[in-house]
Amino acid sequence: DVKVTQSSRYLVKRTGEKVFLECVQDMDHENMFWYRQDPGLGLRLIYFSYDVKMKEKGDIPEGYSVSREKKERFSLILESASTNQTSMYLCASSQPAERNHVLTFGAGSRLTVL
Amino acid sequence: GEDVEQSLFLSVREGDSSVINCTYTDSSSTYLYWYKQEPGAGLQLLTYIFSNMDMKQDQRLTVLLNKKDKHLSLRIADTQTGDSAIYFCARLGDSSYKLIFGSGTRLLVRP
Repeated sequence: DVKVTQSSRYLVKRTGEKVFLECVQDMDHENMFWYRQDPGLGLRLIYFSYDVKMKEKGDIPEGYSVSREKKERFSLILESASTNQTSMYLCASSQPAERNHVLTFGAGSRLTVL
Repeated sequence: GEDVEQSLFLSVREGDSSVINCTYTDSSSTYLYWYKQEPGAGLQLLTYIFSNMDMKQDQRLTVLLNKKDKHLSLRIADTQTGDSAIYFCARLGDSSYKLIFGSGTRLLVRP
C-alpha cells in the first residue's frame, strides 16, 4: 500500500559529493514537494513542482536543485553536499484544490554529510 | 507572517486526554491540518479542518479552531502508548499549494 516511495532511507556522503534523492508516487498526483526536517524547525519547503518540467523555489532552495522529467518522479539534487545539509528529507505529493491540499508523504531519507 | 507555533513536548499518562495546541499568525488561512509522525516514518495526515468550522470530531480525535485567537488544538481522548509520536500543526499558505508547518510537538505517553 506504499504510495510515495523514497529510494534511499539512509545515506552517508562526503562534503563536495553530488547527491541524488529520488521520489516516486503512484497516485497520479500533479503536485510534488521536497521538504527538509530539522529538530525544532519543523518542515521547511525546498522545492515544489506542479507539473512535468515545472518547478518553483520554496523557502530554502539554496544549495539544491530538482528535476521532474516524468509525472510520477521528483528528484532532489545536491550539487556539492555540505555538512549543513545533513538532515531528514521528506518527499510529498498532492492533488489540486479539490483534495484540500492534503499531502501524502514518503518515509523520508536521512542524509549525513561528513 | 507565516509562523505556526507549537510547544515542543507533552507528556501524559495512558488513558488520560492529550491536548496539543497550535497558534498561527495569518488569519486568512483556509485549511488547517494535523499530521502525525511516528519514529522513523514520514508524516501521516490525521485530520484537517476548514476555516469556517469551529470543531471537527473523528473517533478519539477532536479538533477545535478559534479563528479570533488564531488557535488550533488537537485533543486525543483515552491516549494510548501507540499515540506517542510527533504531531505537526500546519496551515495552507497564501500560495494555495504550500503548507506551512509548525515545529512539531513530541507526545510521550507514560504507562
